[in-house]
Amino acid sequence: AQKITQTQPGMFVQEKEAVTLDCTYDTSDPSYGLFWYKQPSSGEMIFLIYQGSYDQQNATEGRYSLNFQKARKSANLVISASQLGDSAMYFCAMREWNFNKFYFGSGTKLNVKP
Amino acid sequence: DGGITQSPKYLFRKEGQNVTLSCEQNLNHDAMYWYRQDPGQGLRLIYYSQIVNDFQKGDIAEGYSVSREKKESFPLTVTSAQKNPTAFYLCASTPGSAQGVNEQFFGPGTRLTVL
Repeated sequence: AQKITQTQPGMFVQEKEAVTLDCTYDTSDPSYGLFWYKQPSSGEMIFLIYQGSYDQQNATEGRYSLNFQKARKSANLVISASQLGDSAMYFCAMREWNFNKFYFGSGTKLNVKP
Repeated sequence: DGGITQSPKYLFRKEGQNVTLSCEQNLNHDAMYWYRQDPGQGLRLIYYSQIVNDFQKGDIAEGYSVSREKKESFPLTVTSAQKNPTAFYLCASTPGSAQGVNEQFFGPGTRLTVL
């Protein structure tokens, strides 16, 4: 079974609008972390935001917020006020603390339109 | 500045040749990882190492080998047994869990092309 599922291969959003990128995960480890990374065309992986499995509040980092719904095993990324520079691939990832391994989804390519 | 360096940035190899990709980190991280990324795809784990002189196979280890003789270094060798090695290779590291940092740190990557 897939550990991380991203069902949106590509998305378009108008500049200055908000966009939600979907991510669902599968684990039996009670202790885990969820991450979002941005990968521009240059290939570098840029860490955006982290949510721990025991965190009560949804994580926020500037224009990024993580909509964590533990019972549904979803960890959607919300980008508010999209900018042209947000155009990139976005990857959802999970870390299972018991094994110290990371699992990545297949990614969502976001295009921000002017 | 602390970080992860990978060299070279671009690498061309003839079919049948082994090639070694370098990965060095000065972050004092315990764990290091190698991923492969094909165009438009996600990251797939090749090998990872939690401590010096120890490493484990990931999901796609066939045709690859690694060593971890020093904490700072985790080189990846792509052998001639790897059927389709043309890809983007990313090295990453994480500190020990006691250090309170959760995410992986990535190097800039190496693009390997087999001619």
